[in-house]
Formats: sequence, structure tokens, C-alpha cells
Amino acid sequence: GAVVSQHPSWVICKSGTSVKIECRSLDFQATTMFWYRQFPKQSLMLMATSNEGSKATYEQGVEKDKFLINHASLTLSTLTVTSAHPEDSSFYICSATDRHWGNSPLHFGNGTRLTVT
Amino acid sequence: SQQGEEDPQALSIQEGENATMNCSYKTSINNLQWYRQNSGRGLVHLILIRSNEREKHSGRLRVTLDTSKKSSSLLITASRAADTASYFCATPYGNKLVFGAGTILRVKS
Repeated sequence: GAVVSQHPSWVICKSGTSVKIECRSLDFQATTMFWYRQFPKQSLMLMATSNEGSKATYEQGVEKDKFLINHASLTLSTLTVTSAHPEDSSFYICSATDRHWGNSPLHFGNGTRLTVT
Repeated sequence: SQQGEEDPQALSIQEGENATMNCSYKTSINNLQWYRQNSGRGLVHLILIRSNEREKHSGRLRVTLDTSKKSSSLLITASRAADTASYFCATPYGNKLVFGAGTILRVKS
């Protein structure tokens, strides 16, 4: 159980275009979803926390107008990278939980490799 | 800086040997979690140890927690080539779960 599906697994886009990444909880209702960014051989950097039906909470330094997060249902959250630039190329990972996140494991998607040309 | 720091940064061992990774953190916690990440994939939860626990086992994994030293260790016994991955500790910090820098483990067959 507790499967999180992330799509697409990789995407290549041209500079200036927008890309949407989906994160779905397949067998549970995700009250909270997290979006992370990971650079090669580095740790995960939390970008934002999204709760179903409310606005996402962004970490300091993360541009909310550039990284649009929507958590419209208990099973789906989306991250849209708007007007992408080469420096946005990275590995993006979502995670979800159906409980108080601090006391239970997070379930991760398999990540999305974004390459902006 | 990161709430959790890990060492070593990288570890290379032969199949069958044990691997030990350490994690230190800065503030009081109610639990500490360990995750594994295979190259280019998401993270998989391994073990959650609560602040009132000192040791926890799961198969070939053994996790210890020393709250007085604010440190934890992950021991993988009888390692296998399939254990090759990055391993991260994570601790709740404020309203988020913060991950350490990770240890890259390579198990040679």
C-alpha cells in the first residue's frame, strides 16, 4: 500500500515554456503533499508544502509565481514550472502522507527529471 | 544548514561486509527516519525510530538513536550489491521534514 505515482518521469522542454508535473496518491488520501528539488549528488531541498484545498506554503527563496502548486483533491497535487529556464533543470520529487507527517513515514514518487534546453 | 548531517559522504565496501552510516542533528526531535534512494528514483522509507527508543531492527537493518549526543546510526549487515544507493536520515524540524546530506553507499560484488 501507500503508493505515490509521479508523472512524467522525465521531460525535456524549451526555455520559456511551462511544464506540469503530477503527483498522485493511488491508494490513500494525501492530506499533505511535499515538493522537493534535488541537485546531483545532493540532498533534497523542500520547495513547498501543499495541503488539500488550501494554498501551498513555500520555503524561503522559492518563487511561488514560478513554481505553481495546486492540491485540488486528496489524491492529486501538481507542480507547474512556468517560463522554464535552463537553471530550472533538476530532479523534482513529490511525497505524500495521510497522517500527521511528523510522526509517520513519507511516501515518495519516483521523481521527474526536468531538462530545459 | 541542514538539520541533519551525515557521515561518511561516501562508502565503498565488498559484498558481505557491514556498512555503518551516521547522522547528527541539532535540535530536539520526537523521531528520526532513515530513507534509501536508488539512483534517479524517489526515496523509500526504511525505519522510523522514536525519541524514547534506543535501537530498532528491520531485517538486515539496525538503527540506533542517542538523544544525548543527538546522533543516530544505520547499520546494514551482510551487504548485497542491491544495497548500493544513497541513504538519508530525516528529522522533523518546525513544520517540515529535513533531510541530511546523505551517504552514498557502493557495494561491490
